[in-house]
Amino acid sequence: AQSVTQPDIHITVSEGASLELRCNYSYGATPYLFWYVQSPGQGLQLLLKYFSGDTLVQGIKGFEAEFKRSQSSFNLRKPSVHWSDAAEYFCAVGYFGNEKLTFGTGTRLTIIP
Amino acid sequence: DSGVTQTPKHLITATGQRVTLRCSPRSGDLSVYWYQQSLDQGLQFLIQYYNGEERAKGNILERFSAQQFPDLHSELNLSSLELGDSALYFCASSVDGTANTEAFFGQGTRLTVV
Repeated sequence: AQSVTQPDIHITVSEGASLELRCNYSYGATPYLFWYVQSPGQGLQLLLKYFSGDTLVQGIKGFEAEFKRSQSSFNLRKPSVHWSDAAEYFCAVGYFGNEKLTFGTGTRLTIIP
Repeated sequence: DSGVTQTPKHLITATGQRVTLRCSPRSGDLSVYWYQQSLDQGLQFLIQYYNGEERAKGNILERFSAQQFPDLHSELNLSSLELGDSALYFCASSVDGTANTEAFFGQGTRLTVV
């Protein structure tokens, strides 16, 4: 069965610092990979997605992620975080012919001044 | 605003009761998904509909049922409620319901069972 692991439950970074959130998936086929962000009291918003092609994908709000097949990873990065980036971030995986998304447990991001 | 509308936003009910959560998808989207988000289980896929037909089923309890109507809105019915059913229930919609199509999420219905 497909699964997604987000090893960091909570990360704290200073405003202006760089950020990397980790995501590992488990399945044999080529995955469709997503990062979603959930602000307090809000629904999930798609940051970026990977289906095929260039393994470095750009998303909204200055985020990017890199698909590394050899490491089964899809880590999310941002060069300089803003206070408004404080939220919960979810990695998700889907596959052709398996239309549901499987979500990781999420990483809560706290930004300190 | 994702364009997906969920009502009500909050619901408080007693154990043993039955509730109905409603979802209106984005205009033009044919597929609707339901997810449950709880502290202990995280985000769990419940069920998916496409153009009125059930397409995929996840960890949905037998006490729960859903349907998608001809106008494409969907309802999730939760019955014989237990304390453990307290959670945030999300609806999402997408154009064609395939895994590589972006799903847009509503703001959720927070259900509290007392």
